[in-house]
Amino acid sequence: GAVVSQHPSWVICKSGTSVKIECRSLDFQATTMFWYRQFPKQSLMLMATSNEGSKATYEQGVEKDKFLINHASLTLSTLTVTSAHPEDSSFYICSARGGSPGLLNEKLFFGSGTQLSVL
Amino acid sequence: SQQGEEDPQALSIQEGENATMNCSYKTSINNLQWYRQNSGRGLVHLILIRSNEREKHSGRLRVTLDTSKKSSSLLITASRAADTASYFCATAADYKLSFGAGTTVTVRA
Repeated sequence: GAVVSQHPSWVICKSGTSVKIECRSLDFQATTMFWYRQFPKQSLMLMATSNEGSKATYEQGVEKDKFLINHASLTLSTLTVTSAHPEDSSFYICSARGGSPGLLNEKLFFGSGTQLSVL
Repeated sequence: SQQGEEDPQALSIQEGENATMNCSYKTSINNLQWYRQNSGRGLVHLILIRSNEREKHSGRLRVTLDTSKKSSSLLITASRAADTASYFCATAADYKLSFGAGTTVTVRA
């Protein structure tokens, strides 16, 4: 199956700093990428959807200025958590799919996730 | 937004037994997908069932979909210790996937 690489796997940072998480599709062109957040023993909460070359669409309640998403190429999307605070500590997961944007009869390929801890 | 609700939240079974988990959802869907997550890892796609399908098999997995009841079930037959994981249903609508709360399955050797 298709491979999505997410980096880093874990990161510890000081409060107030920014952290960038990368998500790469290694063997397919990811026309759409999704970013999720997951708290321990809970479900995945969709944060935003990004189509290559377009601005990301954020879910209600997600601060776009705090969680900057860039999807500049068909193989790379980044999530930057700006001015991170302890409450931003969480497991962040990206996923990607190919095909036409908006077509959803396809499965998603997930990165392995990034555990962010903000001190 | 989270649309699916899964039942049970947790399940502990003996190796060799079958594991059944259910997912209910609220709105119309294009398809429903099941994913597996090992602790601290990303999700792995297991199976996709379209809204016009009623049952689907893949190896030891069997998925059913009842759109009139807005529910789906995942059956894992002859479970193995390696099946220990969290299982999530995800409904596809409005061009995105919404995940249920998940069922944590523990298979005892």
